Amino acid sequence: KAGVTQTPRYLIKTRGQQVTLSCSPISGHRSVSWYQQTPGQGLQFLFEYFSETQRNKGNFPGRFSGRQFSNSRSEMNVSTLELGDSALYLCASSLTIGEKLFFGSGTQLSVL
Amino acid sequence: ILNVEQSPQSLHVQEGDSTNFTCSFPSSNFYALHWYRWETAKSPEALFVMTLNGDEKKKGRISATLNTKEGYSYLYIKGSQPEDSATYLCAIIQGAQKLVFGQGTRLTINP
Repeated sequence: KAGVTQTPRYLIKTRGQQVTLSCSPISGHRSVSWYQQTPGQGLQFLFEYFSETQRNKGNFPGRFSGRQFSNSRSEMNVSTLELGDSALYLCASSLTIGEKLFFGSGTQLSVL
Repeated sequence: ILNVEQSPQSLHVQEGDSTNFTCSFPSSNFYALHWYRWETAKSPEALFVMTLNGDEKKKGRISATLNTKEGYSYLYIKGSQPEDSATYLCAIIQGAQKLVFGQGTRLTINP
């Protein structure tokens, strides 16, 4: 059974640009959530999707957005990138909301 | 704002010794607690999902307990091995809302 797949693994962008990250969940998982990890910080919750609907959103500015498609694949978008957006972005899937998470390998985003 | 505290922040343990660490959280409106292990250069891996007060879970040499009335969970590792070196994260869901992670306990096993 394939795990959670995140693409790309590494990304370098400059301030002001936008970026789209992709996440393919485990087959059959309908919930996808996104997290940001920065040095010295714990995993910070970005948002969670279930059946194409955003169910929860973390305390991030509106520049951070996401969506989920009918096949449960999810994308997150960050517009007008700032230096502070440099982080590891992890996607996780679960059968449903509240169940244990299966994490992808993450996308390491560097904003220069 | 839900605050999840993990202690200690880091821990060095001799191989073969047993160890434990704590996750503390507000006891009101508790829904579930998750424990994850995050090894360097890998993805976080789920250890346990716990929902009931008094719950005890075990996976090999690792076990966890949950006290929802007083708002804490303990994770125990018996007979630590080098492969146990990792950051251990706990996360809480309150009222079926978003998962909030603690900062983690970084465990290093000295051979």
